[in-house]
Amino acid sequence: DQQVKQNSPSLSVQEGRISILNCDYTNSMFDYFLWYKKYPAEGPTFLISISSIKDKNEDGRFTVFLNKSAKHLSLHIVPSQPGDSAVYFCAASAGETSGSRLTFGEGTQLTVNP
Amino acid sequence: EPEVTQTPSHQVTQMGQEVILRCVPISNHLYFYWYRQILGQKVEFLVSFYNNEISEKSEIFDDQFSVERPDGSNFTLKIRSTKLEDSAMYFCASTYNPPYGYTFGSGTRLTVV
Repeated sequence: DQQVKQNSPSLSVQEGRISILNCDYTNSMFDYFLWYKKYPAEGPTFLISISSIKDKNEDGRFTVFLNKSAKHLSLHIVPSQPGDSAVYFCAASAGETSGSRLTFGEGTQLTVNP
Repeated sequence: EPEVTQTPSHQVTQMGQEVILRCVPISNHLYFYWYRQILGQKVEFLVSFYNNEISEKSEIFDDQFSVERPDGSNFTLKIRSTKLEDSAMYFCASTYNPPYGYTFGSGTRLTVV
């Protein structure tokens, strides 16, 4: 199942710089996208989401961009902090047609170096 | 902040044994889910549950799996006869209005030996 793909298994950035995490999808029925952060031995924690009717959503240091024509979304973290080091998952929902299941990407391990 | 609570945090079981994983969703949530993550792989959807019945299940959720909401607070996943390949982290999630507000529990690590 490759409907949601995160091509970068890892990303390393310096504290204070921008982190950009990318996600691609293939299912055009997806209409809602979410980013989750996960620490070891914990469950995914919701970060930010975006509906397909928008192309940008911002919440503090986190911004998600959606390019529907390219079926691509990205999460920007500015400025990055060492506490942001975690695995980031992109997830997508096809709304009511799918029974609201989430389809996850593989995750990207972000390391923010002090 | 309300939490989804899962117990136990870690369960070791012998192949062929039955296991029950327990979850207490957030109290006013109406939709309940189980997901799993095999080590090194994606988080995968297993089943969704609404109005006391399964609303959707994946191809992973075969006859060995069942879910139940035995009372007003618990939501359980039963695996009837565990296999080695059932070893994974199992996450419970709940929401009031999907796909918004999905909240995950901390997970149960199931190890089948």
